[in-house]
Amino acid sequence: DVKVTQSSRYLVKRTGEKVFLECVQDMDHENMFWYRQDPGLGLRLIYFSYDVKMKEKGDIPEGYSVSREKKERFSLILESASTNQTSMYLCASSSRAFSGNTIYFGEGSWLTVV
Amino acid sequence: AQSVTQLDSQVPVFEEAPVELRCNYSSSVSVYLFWYVQYPNQGLQLLLKYLSGSTLVKGINGFEAEFNKSQTSFHLRKPSVHISDTAEYFCAVIFMDTGRRALTFGSGTRLQVQP
Repeated sequence: DVKVTQSSRYLVKRTGEKVFLECVQDMDHENMFWYRQDPGLGLRLIYFSYDVKMKEKGDIPEGYSVSREKKERFSLILESASTNQTSMYLCASSSRAFSGNTIYFGEGSWLTVV
Repeated sequence: AQSVTQLDSQVPVFEEAPVELRCNYSSSVSVYLFWYVQYPNQGLQLLLKYLSGSTLVKGINGFEAEFNKSQTSFHLRKPSVHISDTAEYFCAVIFMDTGRRALTFGSGTRLQVQP
């Protein structure tokens, strides 16, 4: 089974802290994505990556950065967490030869910023 | 920017009744279309997808969807719902002409099946 693993399911952080959300996939996928999910807004794309050391901004990149040093790992970084970043964060991956084949999602990380 | 619209934020329906969840997307030459379901406190699960071919797509749990290119729609239907179908449903699109191989999601529709 394909697995996209998000290391932390539930986190509580203080305003101003630097936060790392980690995502690891075991299918040798080239493409990886970070979304945030908020009630009434659906899932919105924060950043994505098509290869190691490569990143592209999604629709809502402000306040976030990412790191892709290894193919299997894609990290989302909140440089200085704020309360409006309290949300559910979902990581996903897919293969380079993407032809509509399934995009695999992790279970999500619930982040609360207080 | 490309967008996906789910006009109904909530759809209440009685058990065994039919249901249609609507999805429209901004006009595009080429799209891949998806419906996902999210049960309470769970992750996303793929219900069905349209890539090409027949415009009527059948998915899991008795759901189906029809791609209508002229109306840029991909509505999800089920002829008879069960209590267990209570969940949030997301329509998602990959706009192939943007070159971005990422899903753009609608805001979701909460299906509430009542006994």
